[in-house]
Amino acid sequence: GNSVTQMEGPVTLSEEAFLTINCTYTATGYPSLFWYVQYPGEGLQLLLKATKADDKGSNKGFEATYRKETTSFHLEKGSVQVSDSAVYFCALTASGTYKYIFGTGTRLKVLA
Amino acid sequence: DTGVSQDPRHKITKRGQNVTFRCDPISEHNRLYWYRQTLGQGPEFLTYFQNEAQLEKSRLLSDRFSAERPKGSFSTLEIQRTEQGDSAMYLCASSETGGTPSSYNEQFFGPGTRLTVL
Repeated sequence: GNSVTQMEGPVTLSEEAFLTINCTYTATGYPSLFWYVQYPGEGLQLLLKATKADDKGSNKGFEATYRKETTSFHLEKGSVQVSDSAVYFCALTASGTYKYIFGTGTRLKVLA
Repeated sequence: DTGVSQDPRHKITKRGQNVTFRCDPISEHNRLYWYRQTLGQGPEFLTYFQNEAQLEKSRLLSDRFSAERPKGSFSTLEIQRTEQGDSAMYLCASSETGGTPSSYNEQFFGPGTRLTVL
């Protein structure tokens, strides 16, 4: 079946460090891929998306590239800030469906 | 429009009681989704509506769960005879109609209703 696997957290970084959160997926066809972020006490928000192979999604300094050959959609940011502390969820919608399938989430803590 | 709203935000109930949650989607959105999120896990899909039609239900949605969207606007999720395993955050999301499933399909999430079953 369709699934998303994320690296386990928590991830603790110092401010201005480089961030990578790994995400791999299993899906038939050509899924759309998403990263959502959940800040403390808030709802899920879309961070970025990619709908076809080799697309790069980007927002707020975060980037992720849809790699079909490695079935991956890793999230990266060159210089994290304390305000990036949150839980990050990788998700997909499989071909022919509208529902999201989420990974388990990765908690990021950025220290000043 | 202030986004997707859910009511109540928190609900504490005793095992065996019935509970009902409400979701108000973004007004121009025709699709509405329910998810369940347990501690340390990602949200899991429960069901979704297009207008008033319930088009897909997860196997997670047991007979004790029922969802409605009678006029294609707000939706309710009812859990009958609650069990301790039902304790979770229940999330509602909405999205626009248009495009195919393989195209861009951003879902906007509400703040959730946290259910605690004692």
